[in-house]
Amino acid sequence: EVQLLESGGDLVQPGGSLRLSCAASGFTFSSYAMFWVRQAPGKGLEWISGISGSGDNTYYADSVKGRFTFSRDNSKSTLYLQMNSLRAEDTALYYCAKGGTLTQKIFDYWGQGTLVTVSS
Amino acid sequence: QSALTQPPSASGSPGHSVTISCTGTSSDVGGYNYVSWYQQHPGKTPKLMIYEVTKRPSGVPDRFSGSKSGNTASLTVSGLQADDEADYYCCSYGGTHYVFGTGTKVTVL
Repeated sequence: EVQLLESGGDLVQPGGSLRLSCAASGFTFSSYAMFWVRQAPGKGLEWISGISGSGDNTYYADSVKGRFTFSRDNSKSTLYLQMNSLRAEDTALYYCAKGGTLTQKIFDYWGQGTLVTVSS
Repeated sequence: QSALTQPPSASGSPGHSVTISCTGTSSDVGGYNYVSWYQQHPGKTPKLMIYEVTKRPSGVPDRFSGSKSGNTASLTVSGLQADDEADYYCCSYGGTHYVFGTGTKVTVL
């Protein structure tokens, strides 16, 4: 059974930093691209970043480019999202999501999310 | 990377159908056959309902169907049931990024 468990969400001041983690199990982790999708309270979904199975390639939404860094440790089946220069608009529930097969551009499994609140 | 445009709400009576539109550009919806749809019940995680415009993952009822014409994709839910009441989001691959729609709240009257 595929399981994704996010952690690391917290209350942080504007301009601060935070690192989120996502522990994966139930599938061959290194074979799949992985993603972060966030949802601000009462708002819609926003894709923010993706990473290839090897970790060699990363992609970011314009809204987080230059501030967030997505990485993975395939030996630990764990993802990391380093979030710097946080802003109030980064307040959201952050989901990690598993990609589909190589040609499928989908998010087929989602974690329960971890809440990041940026406020003074 | 602007959000795809969806109507804020849609509704239908049990047993009837509802169709949700999702409008993007030639750089996303119109440029790739990688439109997917996600259902999200309140307080729950999103669930994949349609991928590659028309395909259904295993376990998704055939009451859910997708289509695309030009820069606009659509999701149709036929034979509406109470449990279909949820938020629905389209999503398109855009080459090096993904973009979600603004979301549509479907109400079963």
